[in-house]
Order: sequence, then C-alpha cells, then structure tokens
Amino acid sequence: AQSVTQPDIHITVSEGASLELRCNYSYGATPYLFWYVQSPGQGLQLLLKYFSGDTLVQGIKGFEAEFKRSQSSFNLRKPSVHWSDAAEYFCAVGAGGTASKLTFGTGTRLQVTL
Amino acid sequence: DSGVTQTPKHLITATGQRVTLRCSPRSGDLSVYWYQQSLDQGLQFLIQYYNGEERAKGNILERFSAQQFPDLHSELNLSSLELGDSALYFCASSVAPGESSPLHFGNGTRLTVT
Repeated sequence: AQSVTQPDIHITVSEGASLELRCNYSYGATPYLFWYVQSPGQGLQLLLKYFSGDTLVQGIKGFEAEFKRSQSSFNLRKPSVHWSDAAEYFCAVGAGGTASKLTFGTGTRLQVTL
Repeated sequence: DSGVTQTPKHLITATGQRVTLRCSPRSGDLSVYWYQQSLDQGLQFLIQYYNGEERAKGNILERFSAQQFPDLHSELNLSSLELGDSALYFCASSVAPGESSPLHFGNGTRLTVT
C-alpha cells in the first residue's frame, strides 16, 4: 500500500525567506504526486501535480516541487514566502497509479512571521 | 472557488443520531469522492462514485453510506453517530476516475457529535 510522510509538523519562516516542505512517499511504481494547501476554514486547493515527464513542476502561487525517484521525495519549494502563504500543506500520492483515492500525508503547518 | 458545493457547512448532533451531508460536484465532473479529516486520523478516503455507480471504497464504516444521484450530486449518510465521528467531511470531484485530472475539493462540512 502507498504511504506519504511529511516529517515536519510545523514550520515557521520569515516573510521573504525561502521555503522547502518535505514529502517522502512509498509506492511500488511511478507515483502520481500532488501538493494541496488548506487555509483555515477552507477546502484543499491544488498547488501542483506530477504525473510524468519533467521532474521539476511549477504550480500556482509561485510554488514548485521536484520529484526525486532515488530519494522517493517530492519536496515543495518557494523562493520567497508571503504572509498569505501561512496555511497547512498536504502532500498526497494517487493510489494505484491514478489520481483517484489519494493518500495524504499528515500535513505541515506553515507559519510566516513578519 | 473550486466549484464544489457542500451543505451544510456545520452540523451539530447527538450520539446515536443520523445525518446526511450533501455535495454538488463541479460542472462537468462525473466522479465524486468523500474524505474525512480528523485530528487523529488525518485525511482519509472514504468512498468514490462515478456517474452514479460506486467505484472505490476506502476506510468507510458500515454505519456510513453514500450515493450519487442522476443529477450527479452525492449524499453521505452517517448513522448511529458516535463522538469519534466528529470531523470535517470533504467532498471532491473530478472529470472521471483514473484520469490525470486532479481532485477539486469543497470547503467541507464540519460535523460535531455531542
């Protein structure tokens, strides 16, 4: 069965600083990988996705993620964080190599200090 | 706005009761998914429907059931409620199952069982 690990429960960064959120997955074949963001009281919004091809994927709001098969990782990055980026971030893997039945990590809560 | 509509936003009920959560998918999406988000279990996939038919089941309790109607809206029925059922229930939709199109989530229904 597939699984996702987000080792950082909570991260605090200063506005303008760079950000990297870690995500490790376990899956037997090429995974479908996603990053979602959840603001308080809101649903999950898709930031970016990886299905195949270029291992560096660009998403919305200036985020990017890099798929590294050798490390089973799909870390999310942003070069300069804005205060509005404060939210919870979830990494997910698609079950059975599809985008259905996502398995989510436990999330990383991002706090941004001014 | 994801285009997925969930009602009600909040629901407070007592143990042993039964509730129904409703979801309208994005226009054009045929597949509906239900997820449960709780503090101890995180985000868990419950069940998926495609064009009115059950497509996949996850960690859904026997006390819970769902259906998708001809107009593609879906309902999640929770019965014999227990305190541990208190959670945020998300509906998501996609164009079709197993496609590379990702899930779009509603804002959720917060269920509190007292």
